[in-house]
Parts: sequence; C-alpha cells; structure tokens
Amino acid sequence: KAGVTQTPRYLIKTRGQQVTLSCSPISGHRSVSWYQQTPGQGLQFLFEYFSETQRNKGNFPGRFSGRQFSNSRSEMNVSTLELGDSALYLCASSLRGGQNSGNTIYFGEGSWLTVV
Amino acid sequence: GENVEQHPSTLSVQEGDSAVIKCTYSDSASNYFPWYKQELGKGPQLIIDIRSNVGEKKDQRIAVTLNKTAKHFSLHITETQPEDSAVYFCAASEGYSTLTFGKGTMLLVSP
Repeated sequence: KAGVTQTPRYLIKTRGQQVTLSCSPISGHRSVSWYQQTPGQGLQFLFEYFSETQRNKGNFPGRFSGRQFSNSRSEMNVSTLELGDSALYLCASSLRGGQNSGNTIYFGEGSWLTVV
Repeated sequence: GENVEQHPSTLSVQEGDSAVIKCTYSDSASNYFPWYKQELGKGPQLIIDIRSNVGEKKDQRIAVTLNKTAKHFSLHITETQPEDSAVYFCAASEGYSTLTFGKGTMLLVSP
C-alpha cells in the first residue's frame, strides 16, 4: 500500500512568487492535513480537509490556502512568498479524522521550499 | 489552544542503554498522543501512539505511558541501537487530525 505522496520534493522560488504543493493521501484516507516545519518554530498545523471541506485551520496568514478534491488529493498554495516561508511542508493523511476518533495520522516525506 | 512541552531537547546514550523522553500537554480535551521519529531529510514516521483510555502501550523495544491526571506522557526505548538515532516528536490531539507537536528531542546513540 503506497504511503502519502508529496510533489514536488524540492523547489526554489523567488520572493513575491506563488507556489502550489500537491499531496496524494494513502488510499482510502479521506482526511488530509498540512504542516509547516521550520528549525525555529518546529512543526505547526496549517489546515485540515475532509470531504473537500476545510474543517480546521491553524494560525497562518491568508496567503496560505488549500483545497481538497473529490478523490481526496489535496493541494496547498502560498501566494506572495516571503523569505520566512522557506520550510519543509508536510502533508498527512488519516482515515476519517473525526473528533474523538483518535485516527492514526501518517506523514509524507514533505516538500522542501526555499524562497530566495 | 493546546501546548505541548517536550524534554530533553537532546539525549545522548550508549548503545544498549534505555532512553526516556517526556512530554506534558495543557488541554484536558486531548485524547490521542502519537510519537514520531524523523530522520534527516525525511518526513515524520509514526512509531507508537496511545489513546486516553489506555495507560500504557508497548511494541517490542518501545513503550509509551500516559498519565491523564498529570497531563504527561513518556516514550521509553530499551536496548537502544545506533539506528535509533533521530529526532523524536511527541504530539497531542483532540481530534480532527490536528496535532500539536513538542519541539523535538534529538537522540544520539553511540556504538
């Protein structure tokens, strides 16, 4: 069974540009969440999608957005990139992710974004 | 919101020794506590998890304990091996696939 797949793995962008990252969850998983990992702030929750609806959102500016498609695949977009957006962006999937469900959450290998 | 504190930030042990990493959480509504291992250049890999209705869980050399009253949980690794060297993260969740992570512990196992 394939794990969580993220593309691209590495990318370099210029300040002011925008970027789109893609995530394919584990087959059968309907909940997809995104996290940002930096040396200074650690792992921080961005947002979570279930059945194409954003259910939860972390404390990030509106430049960070996402969506989920009917096949559960997800994309996240960062507009007007800043140097501080350089980070490892991680996608995670779980079966349902409902409240009190305690669903096991699996991570992909991440997309390394460098903003210059 | 939830806040997770993790200690120590670095831990050096000799091969064969035990390693213990401790975490505390603030939100009594949290009910799911996973531990992840992250190797350089890779994503976090789930190694063990525990739910709030269980006090202890073991999987071979790895065990996790949870004290709901004190709001803390710990990871225990016995008979450590060099390949256990990595960064370990604890996390807490009250659902909806939202995890709040600790800052991580770099474990170094010397042969």
